[in-house]
Amino acid sequence: QVQLVESGGGVVQPGRSLRLSCAASGFTLSNYAVHWVRQAPGKGLEWVAVLWYDGSNTYYADSVRGRFTVSRDISKNTLYLQMNNLRAGDTAVYYCARDREGLVDFLFDQWGQGTLVTVSS
Amino acid sequence: EIVLTQSPATLSLSPGERATLSCRASQSVSSYLAWYQQKPGQAPRLLIYDASNRATGIPARFSGSGSGTDFTLTISSLEPEDFAVYYCQQRGNWPPAFGGGTKVEIK
Repeated sequence: QVQLVESGGGVVQPGRSLRLSCAASGFTLSNYAVHWVRQAPGKGLEWVAVLWYDGSNTYYADSVRGRFTVSRDISKNTLYLQMNNLRAGDTAVYYCARDREGLVDFLFDQWGQGTLVTVSS
Repeated sequence: EIVLTQSPATLSLSPGERATLSCRASQSVSSYLAWYQQKPGQAPRLLIYDASNRATGIPARFSGSGSGTDFTLTISSLEPEDFAVYYCQQRGNWPPAFGGGTKVEIK
């Protein structure tokens, strides 16, 4: 059974850092690109970042480039989102979402349940 | 950067009725348009990709059409579980983007 489980969210002060995790099961991360998508409270969806299935590339939305970094640990089948210099505007539920096998299609066919990040002093 | 405009913002219908949701792109995205359903407290679920292809396990009452800049999601006969928010998403141009959503509520 394919599953993505996010963790690591919480309340953090502006300017501080937080690392989110996305544990995958039922499939191997090395075969799939995985994205981060966020949703501010009561708002719509915003694509944040992607790590290529072969680990060769990462891409970021302009709003987070230079502050957020995507990485993974294949041995743990887990994806990470390191978030630095957090701002109030980063407050959102963060979802990890899987792309189609062997492709970087920006098509999100499996999603985790999300983890809430609140940036507040 | 492409902007996706969804209309209406809210659609009030009764079970059994037909729902027609619109998504308009600020420039052509070819057929690279997807639709997602999101229920309260849940993650989105992929319904339709490449404008008209149903994702795995999606009932036949959901259908998509369109190309270029104008797209439609149709739910032929609303079931109680279909009342939710629907988002369109384009992947034809960088960066990928979502529309603002249409809420389908019970009338």
